Amino acid sequence: GQNIDQPTEMTATEGAIVQINCTYQTSGFNGLFWYQQHAGEAPTFLSYNVLDGLEEKGRFSSFLSRSKGYSYLLLKELQMKDSASYLCAVLAYSGAGSYQLTFGKGTKLSVIP
Amino acid sequence: NAGVTQTPKFQVLKTGQSMTLQCAQDMNHEYMSWYRQDPGMGLRLIHYSVGAGITDQGEVPNGYNVSRSTTEDFPLRLLSAAPSQTSVYFCASSYGSGMETQYFGPGTRLLVL
Repeated sequence: GQNIDQPTEMTATEGAIVQINCTYQTSGFNGLFWYQQHAGEAPTFLSYNVLDGLEEKGRFSSFLSRSKGYSYLLLKELQMKDSASYLCAVLAYSGAGSYQLTFGKGTKLSVIP
Repeated sequence: NAGVTQTPKFQVLKTGQSMTLQCAQDMNHEYMSWYRQDPGMGLRLIHYSVGAGITDQGEVPNGYNVSRSTTEDFPLRLLSAAPSQTSVYFCASSYGSGMETQYFGPGTRLLVL
């Protein structure tokens, strides 16, 4: 089975930097995704890491350490619109040439003025 | 492109009724999947398909059936609705065998009384 842990809630101030951590235990690891989900809406893709290191995309960066089973999402210059849930998801090989994406429970980020 | 579409947006059922949640995509994606999202539980995989004619079970398949007769459509059938199936259901699709970014539909909110 798979186990994915991330904090339930976080609060940060507009303009600040926040780091959302995700730890996982899985077999057949093939990458880690971060999705953003605003209340009442569908998840939308933010980032994908398959190799160790940092991937930067504008104000958002994502880091992966496969040996430690650890990832984080870094959000810089926080804006009010960044208030959302952030979902960590692990992609693992499920056999017969297919893969499954398993989600953590999500971290609800509140950005305050 | 319309992307991933789901119907209905909202549905109320009585215990024991059956219904089909519709999902369609116009991106020629091979991989399609169904998730349910419950408070405090995150997104959980119900069923998935790696191509027309091929389906497989995810983490929580009981009480649901799927079929994939075309590349575009992946309906989810509730055989005999139960209150425990009250949830938000998301359909998602991606290229290939599921390794790529998944695109989510807008969701169907289901209430079973």
